[in-house]
Amino acid sequence: EVQLVDSGGGLIQPGGSLRLSCVASGFTISHNYMSWVRQAPGKGLEWVSIIYRDGTTYYADSVKGRFTISRDHFENKLFLHLTNVRVEDTATYYCTMGTDSSHWGQGTLVIVSS
Amino acid sequence: QSVLTQPPSVSGTPGQWVTISCSGSSSNIGINFVYWYQQFPGTAPRLLIYRNDQRPSGVPDRFSGSKSGTSASLAISGLRSEDEADYYCAAWDDSLSGRLFGGGTRLTVL
Repeated sequence: EVQLVDSGGGLIQPGGSLRLSCVASGFTISHNYMSWVRQAPGKGLEWVSIIYRDGTTYYADSVKGRFTISRDHFENKLFLHLTNVRVEDTATYYCTMGTDSSHWGQGTLVIVSS
Repeated sequence: QSVLTQPPSVSGTPGQWVTISCSGSSSNIGINFVYWYQQFPGTAPRLLIYRNDQRPSGVPDRFSGSKSGTSASLAISGLRSEDEADYYCAAWDDSLSGRLFGGGTRLTVL
């Protein structure tokens, strides 16, 4: 059974850094397209980043240059490294599997506040 | 501001047929697949429709998707109270090299 478990969220000050993790079971992360999608409180879904099977990455303009998506094949984990965070990065962050985002983690909440 | 445009809300009565529209452009819906997601408050979204009109296993056939040109639609027939949720469309955009989500539509079952 495919399962994704997100973690790493928390309260962070503007300008700070944080690393989000997504542990996968039931499939191999490096063999799939993996994405991060976020949702600000009371708002809609916003795509953040994707990493292809070959390692190619893309980012939303709102996070380009500040966030980095990566993966660990041996631990079967997906990461999102957030740097220079802003108040507007406050959201629940979900990792998703596949080009169709057929499976989602439960989400991890990031709050950016001073 | 979403480049994929959805109505903020739609409503219907039990048993009714409702549709949710998703309007895009030639760089996204016009040339790429459309996906639909259902989300209940406090939970992660769930894939409802993939590749324009395909249903994952477990999704009732009351839900159907279609695409024409630069627009797509999600149709729900035989509306039930448990269908009350937020619905999002999504598509890859070749100009942005990124994925887009619609702003979401809140479905209310009266």
